[in-house]
Amino acid sequence: EVQLVQSGAEVKKPGESLRISCKGSEYSFTSYWISWVRQMPGKGLEWMGRIDPSESYTHYSPSFQGHVTISADRSISTAFLQWSSLKASDTAMYYCARHHYGDSLGYWGQGTLVTVSS
Amino acid sequence: DIQMTQSPSSLSASVGDRLTITCRASQSVSSYLNWYQQKPGKAPTLLIYAASSLQGGVPSRFSGSGSGTHFTLTISSLQPEDFATYYCQQSFSTPWTFGQGTKVEIK
Repeated sequence: EVQLVQSGAEVKKPGESLRISCKGSEYSFTSYWISWVRQMPGKGLEWMGRIDPSESYTHYSPSFQGHVTISADRSISTAFLQWSSLKASDTAMYYCARHHYGDSLGYWGQGTLVTVSS
Repeated sequence: DIQMTQSPSSLSASVGDRLTITCRASQSVSSYLNWYQQKPGKAPTLLIYAASSLQGGVPSRFSGSGSGTHFTLTISSLQPEDFATYYCQQSFSTPWTFGQGTKVEIK
């Protein structure tokens, strides 16, 4: 069974850096793109960007370009989402998801809650 | 960006009801339209991809239709486990965008 397991909840201060992870298993990690999706408290879903783990080619939503970095380490079947300087407005649940037919998001991680507060 | 608009934003329904949720795109997305279900405190799950293809393991009471700019998700007979929030998403062009969600509550 395809699984995406994300790293645990984080509490950070504004200005701090952070990297969260998403480990894929039970499928060929380099064969499917992975996307990251943000869900702010009580709000809907926002697509942040995606990565092709085979070549680490990335594509960002303009809303997130320059504020986050998506990367992957295929040797450990893990994708990453990182911030160099967090803001309070980054407080949200972050999901990774593996692409499926028609570029749907067929498999999701359990989510990583990021809280940024002074 | 392609704007996705769902209607209604919320609704109350009873077990056994037939339910239809509509999703409209601001421009054609062909059949690159997907539907997700999200229960409180859980990650979304894929129900329908490519407008009308049922994801494996999803009950057949769920169905999707449409193309271009107008799409629908139908639940033929609402079950207790179907009370959740539903999102449409276009994967026609980046940035991919989601509808605002439709919350289905128990009447």
